[in-house]
Amino acid sequence: DAKTTQPTSMDCAEGRAANLPCNHSTISGNEYVYWYRQIHSQGPQYIIHGLKNNETNEMASLIITEDRKSSTLILPHATLRDTAVYYCIVRVAARDDKIIFGKGTRLHILP
Amino acid sequence: GAGVSQSPRYKVAKRGQDVALRCDPISGHVSLFWYQQALGQGPEFLTYFQNEAQLDKSGLPSDRFFAERPEGSVSTLKIQRTQQEDSAVYLCASSLGPLDTQYFGPGTRLTVL
Repeated sequence: DAKTTQPTSMDCAEGRAANLPCNHSTISGNEYVYWYRQIHSQGPQYIIHGLKNNETNEMASLIITEDRKSSTLILPHATLRDTAVYYCIVRVAARDDKIIFGKGTRLHILP
Repeated sequence: GAGVSQSPRYKVAKRGQDVALRCDPISGHVSLFWYQQALGQGPEFLTYFQNEAQLDKSGLPSDRFFAERPEGSVSTLKIQRTQQEDSAVYLCASSLGPLDTQYFGPGTRLTVL
């Protein structure tokens, strides 16, 4: 699986949009971009994934650049409960395989 | 519906003791994964089951670690002769099949004294 690069930490004001960047310059054509988050003392939680088109669900939006070398996870109206470590992962969705987590971005939502 | 559950949530062991950690996956999920998460780090893969078959155990750090899923549902991760470096959170995840995402349990925090 391709390696990803994320900032170590970010701050965002409550109620504002949180934009979390991820670089994956060595991504292969059959690899998807996945996002998970881990709230303190909980297991990782799936957020969203995509291949090349932008995706949106009830939790977040995922914007993938045209060359697929980077992406941004958007939490449209951040709340204090969104404080967590966010992991950007690239993997082949059609293969039932382990997830390789990096260190993620620690997002602090400020009141 | 019910998610992935793990027990116990916390376990304290003396060095040299054996421990057993249990994972109850989401009903009907074929695939089951174990991960180890050290403090301040992301989870790291340990082993993977498809039904009762252990298809990948490349992440198990030593032969003191053993996992089983005899009937293709509940899984147990056993650590023999625990060492202080085994202290971590052990996470279990399950997925419906190859095209589905993994859903994680809350983890078991193991502390070896």
